[in-house]
Amino acid sequence: TQLLEQSPQFLSIQEGENLTVYCNSSSVFSSLQWYRQEPGEGPVLLVTVVTGGEVKKLKRLTFQFGDARKDSSLHITAAQPGDTGLYLCAGASGGSYIPTFGRGTSLIVHP
Amino acid sequence: KAGVTQTPRYLIKTRGQQVTLSCSPISGHRSVSWYQQTPGQGLQFLFEYFSETQRNKGNFPGRFSGRQFSNSRSEMNVSTLELGDSALYLCASSFYTDTQYFGPGTRLTVL
Repeated sequence: TQLLEQSPQFLSIQEGENLTVYCNSSSVFSSLQWYRQEPGEGPVLLVTVVTGGEVKKLKRLTFQFGDARKDSSLHITAAQPGDTGLYLCAGASGGSYIPTFGRGTSLIVHP
Repeated sequence: KAGVTQTPRYLIKTRGQQVTLSCSPISGHRSVSWYQQTPGQGLQFLFEYFSETQRNKGNFPGRFSGRQFSNSRSEMNVSTLELGDSALYLCASSFYTDTQYFGPGTRLTVL
């Protein structure tokens, strides 16, 4: 069974701070997705990374896929209250179309 | 394109009853997956349908079932509801890849 470990589990920071969230596995992924979920809503896709070492930027969010395609990170610069939510990583491997989801990182950004 | 839609958004049922949830995928998406999300267990995969056939199945009891229609719309049914079935049920659609696009979810409360 593939396992995706996310850390930290919880993060509470002040507006303007920087943060990094990690997603690690022992499996090699064909691609990896990051989602943000707000309470009572479905996860919203932020990015898909497919190439080892790939870096993608989405405004203040920077996503990196590890060289070996086993891990990924999400870095947020100058966090804002609107960044508050549950950040989930997901990846599929072994030819499966069904991704495994991490347990998520719950982020709260205080004004 | 319209996103994934789910109905109803909220449901309250009592133990022993059954419930049917509906999902309409993004136009052109033929794969529909269902997930159960709880605070304790995170996102857990229920099953996936592709072209009206169940292609993948998670580790849930037979009380959880689903189907997909020729227009790719899908329904999920839970029979003999238990208190532990209270959760956010999420539907996701995809187009031949492991990147999933989620609906807003149905919040089921079992009393």
